[in-house]
Amino acid sequence: GQNIDQPTEMTATEGAIVQINCTYQTSGFNGLFWYQQHAGEAPTFLSYNVLDGLEEKGRFSSFLSRSKGYSYLLLKELQMKDSASYLCAVRDPSGGSYIPTFGRGTSLIVHP
Amino acid sequence: GAGVSQSPSNKVTEKGKDVELRCDPISGHTALYWYRQSLGQGLEFLIYFQGNSAPDKSGLPSDRFSAERTGGSVSTLTIQRTQQEDSAVYLCASSKSDGSSYEQYFGPGTRLTVT
Repeated sequence: GQNIDQPTEMTATEGAIVQINCTYQTSGFNGLFWYQQHAGEAPTFLSYNVLDGLEEKGRFSSFLSRSKGYSYLLLKELQMKDSASYLCAVRDPSGGSYIPTFGRGTSLIVHP
Repeated sequence: GAGVSQSPSNKVTEKGKDVELRCDPISGHTALYWYRQSLGQGLEFLIYFQGNSAPDKSGLPSDRFSAERTGGSVSTLTIQRTQQEDSAVYLCASSKSDGSSYEQYFGPGTRLTVT
């Protein structure tokens, strides 16, 4: 089976740094995705990690530790427009499928 | 088109009626996915197409749900005899392929309300 856990909601202040964690328990592993979804809109791709370590892309960074079944998304210099839901998705091919399984998402609220 | 499109954007139907949802993927994307998202829930996988074939239908909740894809492009998701629990946002996504690091591009979704 697959189990992906993320905090339901987080709040942060404009200009600050926030870390959104994702833990997963899967039989196999073939990559972890982070998506951003604004209310009423489609999810958009942020990052992909398949090897351990940190991937940096502008204000956003994503970290993966396969041995710990753990990832985080780091958002720096927060802006109001970063208020959105952040979805963690894991690909587990052990069942013969490469379809990513999504967590329930973390709703981030950025305050002025 | 520039991205994945879905129609209709909103659909209100009476319980027991059939509905058909449409997805136009990005041109050249061979993989197409349907998901369902209920309020406060994550994305629930429904079905996946590679070309016109559906190697993974494991997520379809019941035999009232079916989907097809023609010409390796447009896909339709049909829900027969709709129930109130079918109310959700139905999202379609496409990607270049089903493996490696190819990210999914999502459409804006169809919000289905069953009254």
